[in-house]
Amino acid sequence: DGGITQSPKYLFRKEGQNVTLSCEQNLNHDAMYWYRQDPGQGLRLIYYSQIVNDFQKGDIAEGYSVSREKKESFPLTVTSAQKNPTAFYLCASGQGNSPLHFGNGTRLTVT
Amino acid sequence: GQSLEQPSEVTAVEGAIVQINCTYQTSGFYGLSWYQQHDGGAPTFLSYNGLDGLEETGRFSSFLSRSDSYGYLLLQELQMKDSASYFCAAGGAGSYQLTFGKGTKLSVIP
Repeated sequence: DGGITQSPKYLFRKEGQNVTLSCEQNLNHDAMYWYRQDPGQGLRLIYYSQIVNDFQKGDIAEGYSVSREKKESFPLTVTSAQKNPTAFYLCASGQGNSPLHFGNGTRLTVT
Repeated sequence: GQSLEQPSEVTAVEGAIVQINCTYQTSGFYGLSWYQQHDGGAPTFLSYNGLDGLEETGRFSSFLSRSDSYGYLLLQELQMKDSASYFCAAGGAGSYQLTFGKGTKLSVIP
């Protein structure tokens, strides 16, 4: 079945450490996205990529980095520069104006 | 940019009808989408309005009025499994321009 896989589901890190969240899709979608969700909040766009080897900053890109070396993969690195990294991170993919398909998310806790 | 306003919480009785409103302020608006998210889960697409009027998909309907910068999601014959958060999202050309509202938490009670 086609879909988006995010791993791990839960992630714990110490403050000051970089951490990379995985996102893989087999939907053959050109575009991929990373959103952050905080309790009681909507989804805020961190980064997006429309094609391989290209990506754009979203609304809250500071403290994050991404890469898009393969169409299927769009990993997100949460760096130590991100002041409030504890959140629920959602990866999505899409094609043109079609609806977004989301992964099941990674809940990151930084202490 | 875009900003969307929707109620934070709504409670309704099983079997009833509930309407979740969404107002938006946008530039370059192309359409309004609705997503459902159960606690801790992935948002899933429910409905999209690119034109004014009503779109119906089973128990769910969505409405858009561009002149009023307003839309709503209508859920009929509510079931307990409909308890979830519902997000409106305003889109420009291409999915990457989707901006989400803060979500409405719907609680369905017996």
